[in-house]
Amino acid sequence: EIVLTQSPATLSLSPGERATLSCRASQSVRSYLVWYQQKPGQAPRLLIYDASNRATGVPARFSGSGSGTDFTLTISSLEPEDFAVYYCQHHSSWPLTFGGGTKVEIK
Amino acid sequence: EVHLLQSGGGLVQPGGSLRLSCAASGFTFRMYGMDWIRQAPGKGLEWVSSISRGGTDTYYADSVKGRFTISRDNSKNMVFLHMHGPRAEDTAVYFCARSETRDFFAYWGQGALVTVSS
Repeated sequence: EIVLTQSPATLSLSPGERATLSCRASQSVRSYLVWYQQKPGQAPRLLIYDASNRATGVPARFSGSGSGTDFTLTISSLEPEDFAVYYCQHHSSWPLTFGGGTKVEIK
Repeated sequence: EVHLLQSGGGLVQPGGSLRLSCAASGFTFRMYGMDWIRQAPGKGLEWVSSISRGGTDTYYADSVKGRFTISRDNSKNMVFLHMHGPRAEDTAVYFCARSETRDFFAYWGQGALVTVSS
């Protein structure tokens, strides 16, 4: 099973600041890595697929990068609606696994 | 518009059984794999099970293998998760999701809370 480790667990930032979230895989997942955003009481929302492609309707301030074992989600300038929990997920092999999440909170 | 409407959550006793349902609309159901993902209270996401477009291939997380069964009815555009002998640690919100070409999820159901308790 591929383990995904997200860091930091919590990121305290102010609106307008840049957020950099990390996801590290225990073995290579090539580019089969996606990012989701989840707000309380809601289902996750797909943000990035294939490590760097924005899903339909996702604002340009969200970007993804990386391949192999190290991946990054960057939010260039935080908007109030961006404060949420973010999860990475790989889909390179069975079983599919998710990272533990990074909570982006208002400082 | 893609829509996944879940039903069937609730309270179930340890060792009992429960079936979760997910009704799909707004897309050609038989062309997509479907998955179940769960989230224990206050915890992260855990993939549970996948079923292929035709229903012939199924996959399970080790934590539920042998206890849960995923199935689908393409004539009714529905996917199911049968929980046999649930345990307290199976308490979670269960989401159904449409699997995109390579097993990630752009569309999710609203979630259904399953509480396993006596």
